[in-house]
Order: sequence, then C-alpha cells, then structure tokens
Amino acid sequence: GAGVSQSPSNKVTEKGKDVELRCDPISGHTALYWYRQSLGQGLEFLIYFQGNSAPDKSGLPSDRFSAERTGGSVSTLTIQRTQQEDSAVYLCASSLLAGSTDTQYFGPGTRLTVL
Amino acid sequence: QQQVKQSPQSLIVQKGGIPIINCAYENTAFDYFPWYQQFPGKGPALLIAIRPDVSEKKEGRFTISFNKSAKQFSLHIMDSQPGDSATYFCAASVGGFKTIFGAGTRLFVKA
Repeated sequence: GAGVSQSPSNKVTEKGKDVELRCDPISGHTALYWYRQSLGQGLEFLIYFQGNSAPDKSGLPSDRFSAERTGGSVSTLTIQRTQQEDSAVYLCASSLLAGSTDTQYFGPGTRLTVL
Repeated sequence: QQQVKQSPQSLIVQKGGIPIINCAYENTAFDYFPWYQQFPGKGPALLIAIRPDVSEKKEGRFTISFNKSAKQFSLHIMDSQPGDSATYFCAASVGGFKTIFGAGTRLFVKA
C-alpha cells in the first residue's frame, strides 16, 4: 500500500520568501507528526496532529512556522520569511493513533535549502 | 531534561561483529523507547522498541538492553552485515506523543 508521501522532494528558496511543504499521510492514520532534521543531526520534533487538532505545538521554533491539517488527512507546514538556518530536511510521519505508541511511518522528507 | 544522549557518533565494525549503540536519558516520565534505522535519502523506519518494565527485547538480530535505574538503554546488532550500514537513532517519548530523538550513530559494516 501507499506510504507517507511528501512534496516537493527538494525546495530551494531565497531568504525572506515563504514556503509550503505538504504531507500526505497513510490513509486511515489519524495522527500526523512533523520533524526537522538538520545535516548530521537527529530529528527535532516540531508538531503533531490528532485528527485536525494540534495539541502540542511546543516544538515549532518560532512564530514564522505554522502547520495545519484539513479533513484529517493532508497537512501543510508553512515557513514564512525563511532564514538560512531553516535549511534542513523536513520529515513527516503518520501513525494509526496518537499517544498509543503506534508505529510512526515516515515519508522521504523535503530537503529545504534557503539561499 | 528532555534530551536523549546517544553515543558513539560513528562506528565501524567488521562483518559478523556486534556493534553497540548507547543512549541515556534524564526524564523518568519517558515510557516508550524506540530505535529507528535510516538509510541515505530515506525517512527513518522503526526497528525495535521497548518499554521500561522490560530489561531486554530481541527481534531477529537486533536486541535492546534497558537499565531503568541507570536511565540507559542500548542497541546490539548481532552478526552485523554490510546491509546494516545506516544511521541509527534512539528515541524516547511519553505515551508515544512528542518523541525526542538522539543525535544518531552512523554505522559502517565492512565486508
């Protein structure tokens, strides 16, 4: 079956521009997670959704970052006024339920480069 | 207190060797400890996971050892193969919500 998909796979943008990253979770998965992976680093938790609500936004690094999920499916991570330090791979994962230790299935990521 | 410290950063072993990756945590509220394997250009994939009420868990060639009192856990890969060459991440969470990852260990298994 189809796994988690993310688009675009690569995004190059200029400093100060806004970007939108998209995540399509596995069908039927109610929980969706966003992480950021900087070069050679571990994954940094950004936000998770249970259905359309985001109970925990504590990982978003600044108010330039926002995320939404509509229809309990597709999610969009938006970064406004991008900075060079935003360059990283942004990973999305989904699981059947949140908070139940169900396996998180990761997408291939979006590599963001801010020039 | 939310950190998970992972070591070593990189590891090279011969085929058939037993690489060991160690992780330590501070937050005693963590109750779920997964390990992920990541190949270049791919997202991480769950390898094996353990809860703190168990001291050891084996799945195939992969074993997690858990020491609750020391707040440490480790991954052992038995009879390692070149195909095991990847980056391995330990992680911890409370109830599977916000997952905190270690910095990762790059493993290379020589043929």
